[in-house]
Amino acid sequence: AQSVTQLDSQVPVFEEAPVELRCNYSSSVSVYLFWYVQYPNQGLQLLLKYLSGSTLVESINGFEAEFNKSQTSFHLRKPSVHISDTAEYFCAVSLPYSGNTPLVFGKGTRLSVIA
Amino acid sequence: EAGVTQSPTHLIKTRGQQATLRCSPISGHTSVYWYQQALGLGLQFLLWYDEGEERNRGNFPPRFSGRQFPNYSSELNVNALELEDSALYLCASKPAIYEQYFGPGTRLTVT
Repeated sequence: AQSVTQLDSQVPVFEEAPVELRCNYSSSVSVYLFWYVQYPNQGLQLLLKYLSGSTLVESINGFEAEFNKSQTSFHLRKPSVHISDTAEYFCAVSLPYSGNTPLVFGKGTRLSVIA
Repeated sequence: EAGVTQSPTHLIKTRGQQATLRCSPISGHTSVYWYQQALGLGLQFLLWYDEGEERNRGNFPPRFSGRQFPNYSSELNVNALELEDSALYLCASKPAIYEQYFGPGTRLTVT
């Protein structure tokens, strides 16, 4: 079975500072990896995904994540955060071979950007 | 393209009652997933429907059930409501493979 650990439940950071949200996963087989963001009182939105190929993936709003197979990690980073990045961030995995398995989520990291 | 829609937005029920939540997937998506987001418990997989059939269910009791209609919309039913069923229920739809697309959720409050 797969599992996801998000090491920090809350991360406060000042505006324009860099941030890293950590995610480690456990799986005996290869997986697809995702980061979702949940803004207050909203559903989840896909931020970025790793399926195969380049281990560094980027989103359109400046976030990036790097897949590290040896460390079974998929940390999310942004070099300079904005107030609007305040949200909860979820790391998730799914099995790739069938493509239709449920997502397994971490417990989430609440990012609070301070002006 | 319209996204995943869910209704109602909020639902308030008393213990022992039944709740029905609805989800309409993105056009062309045949798979629908239900997740429960309870305070302190994170997101937990509930049910997966594809082509009208239940394909998998998470570690939830049988009073959580649902179905998928021929137009791929889905319904989640929760019988004999308990206080701990209070949560945000999220529906997601998916094309053949890869990422899931989530709706805004239904907030169920059991009093």
